[in-house]
Amino acid sequence: TQTVSQSDAHVTVFEGDSVELRCNYSYGGSIYLSWYIQHHGRGLQFLLKYYSGNPVVQGVNGFEAEFSKSDSSFHLRKASVHWSDSAVYFCAVSARNNNAPRFGAGTKLTVKP
Amino acid sequence: EAAVTQSPRSKVAVTGGKVTLSCHQTNNHDYMYWYRQDTGHGLRLIHYSYVADSTEKGDIPDGYKASRPSQENFSLILELASLSQTAVYFCASSEGQGAYEQYFGPGTRLTVL
Repeated sequence: TQTVSQSDAHVTVFEGDSVELRCNYSYGGSIYLSWYIQHHGRGLQFLLKYYSGNPVVQGVNGFEAEFSKSDSSFHLRKASVHWSDSAVYFCAVSARNNNAPRFGAGTKLTVKP
Repeated sequence: EAAVTQSPRSKVAVTGGKVTLSCHQTNNHDYMYWYRQDTGHGLRLIHYSYVADSTEKGDIPDGYKASRPSQENFSLILELASLSQTAVYFCASSEGQGAYEQYFGPGTRLTVL
């Protein structure tokens, strides 16, 4: 079974700063990788995914993520954050042999004005 | 737009009692999932289903049963609720596994006293 690690439980930045949220995975085979966002008190919403091709994928609201097979990573980035980006971000991994997605522990992003 | 609803939205149960959490989706998706969310653990997979009348165990199935009586409905049953099952429970659906994004419900906050 695949596992996901998000090393930072909390990240705090100021509005306009850039941010990178880290995700590392462990699995011996081919995988699909995704990021989801959870605003306070809500369900998770899909941001972006990678399954092949260009390792840099674009998502909604200026988010992008880069896949690195050598580092077993799929870090999420945004060049200039807004206060509304404050939320918890989850990385998810699905094995290509069709099993259910597994999620990391989440990173809480706080954007200060 | 994809829609996953959960009921109840919150519930207080007594230790040893039976609890049923319900999930309904109007996405016409084959796959449905139950996750629990605890601080520091992110989302953990309890059960999932890829067809009506069939369920599969996830990573933490002990103490939980699942039922998929139709494509649209997926229930999570706690026959003997325990304090350790206090958590937020999320239901999700997806068209398939692997590369397919999941659509999440708003969650059910369960408190077992």
